[in-house]
Amino acid sequence: AQSVTQPDIHITVSEGASLELRCNYSYGATPYLFWYVQSPGQGLQLLLKYFSGDTLVQGIKGFEAEFKRSQSSFNLRKPSVHWSDAAEYFCAVGDGSGNTGKLIFGQGTTLQVKP
Amino acid sequence: EAGVVQSPRYKIIEKKQPVAFWCNPISGHNTLYWYRQNLGQGPELLIRYENEEAVDDSQLPKDRFSAERLKGVDSTLKIQPAELGDSAVYLCASSLGLLASRDEQYFGPGTRLTVT
Repeated sequence: AQSVTQPDIHITVSEGASLELRCNYSYGATPYLFWYVQSPGQGLQLLLKYFSGDTLVQGIKGFEAEFKRSQSSFNLRKPSVHWSDAAEYFCAVGDGSGNTGKLIFGQGTTLQVKP
Repeated sequence: EAGVVQSPRYKIIEKKQPVAFWCNPISGHNTLYWYRQNLGQGPELLIRYENEEAVDDSQLPKDRFSAERLKGVDSTLKIQPAELGDSAVYLCASSLGLLASRDEQYFGPGTRLTVT
């Protein structure tokens, strides 16, 4: 069965510091992978996605993520965090083989940014 | 362009009462999703529509939950009767429906339900 694990429930970084949010997935075939961000009272917004090809993908707001098949990981990174990045981040895996449009989300990582 | 619209944004009801949530997807989006997000968790799919057809309702608790999308546009999710464990945020999302798993899903702000 598909599953997504985000090992860090809560992360605090200083503004201007680099950020890495971890995501591990379990999926039998080639996964479609997504990162979403959710600000308080807002819906989820797509940051970036990976389907195939180059394993380093660029997203909005200066985020990037790297797909590592050998580690079943899709970690999200940002070189310099801004206070406005404080939010909850969700990794999700999509049904790449069945093409059903179904997404399985991880439990999320809450990012706090210190001034 | 307008995003996904949901109403109400907040709802407080007593257990055993009925409740309904409404969603209007982005214009032209054929696929509509209802998710439930429990506190501290990621969203979980309840039901997915392609136009007016429910193509995946395997996670919908059918004894008390129902949904409809009669004209393939807006949708209503209903709970009757509500239980304490139904307290959660109910999210609606939509996508074009052309690429299925490659489609970007656009999420509404959600309805926060509190059952007392």
